Amino acid sequence: GAVVSQHPSRVICKSGTSVKIECRSLDFQATTMFWYRQFPKQSLMLMATSNEGSKATYEQGVEKDKFLINHASLTLSTLTVTSAHPEDSSFYICSAKLGREFDEQFFGPGTRLTVL
Amino acid sequence: GQNIDQPTEMTATEGAIVQINCTYQTSGFNGLFWYQQHAGEAPTFLSYNVLDGLEEKGRFSSFLSRSKGYSYLLLKELQMKDSASYLCAVLDSNYQLIWGAGTKLIIKP
Repeated sequence: GAVVSQHPSRVICKSGTSVKIECRSLDFQATTMFWYRQFPKQSLMLMATSNEGSKATYEQGVEKDKFLINHASLTLSTLTVTSAHPEDSSFYICSAKLGREFDEQFFGPGTRLTVL
Repeated sequence: GQNIDQPTEMTATEGAIVQINCTYQTSGFNGLFWYQQHAGEAPTFLSYNVLDGLEEKGRFSSFLSRSKGYSYLLLKELQMKDSASYLCAVLDSNYQLIWGAGTKLIIKP
């Protein structure tokens, strides 16, 4: 299957700082990437859908000024958590799909963010 | 609203068979996915059903009944490594993936 990487895998930062997470599709071009957040013992919560070259579509309740998404190329999307606070501590997972609407999503390994 | 229901937790014995059910009510239907997620890891794809019936893939099978809004994932010959959460997700009419909360499967020796 297709491979999606995420970097970093784990990050600890101080409250008020910004953190950037990268998501890359390694062996395919992803027209669409997704960013999810998962709190302990809960399911995935879609934050936003990102299409290459256009603005991300955010889910209701997700602050677009706080969670900045950039999909600069067909193989790279970034999520920047600005002015992070302890309540932003979570497991952030990206996924990518080839472009056909029924395609499965290939998930990155996730990034564990801890805000002190 | 859109809704996907699956049991929160199930327990089974190594070597046995377990069936994890998923019922859904969504605006439109373009397929149903099952994903496996081990603790602290990202989900991995297991199956995709868009037509009624049973799809078998090794020890895992997935069934779909669109008229009943129902699917199940069947795991045979359970192994300890099958202990994980199993996520049911439906593609709605807008091709948005609607996720269930997941079923935590505990395998006992």
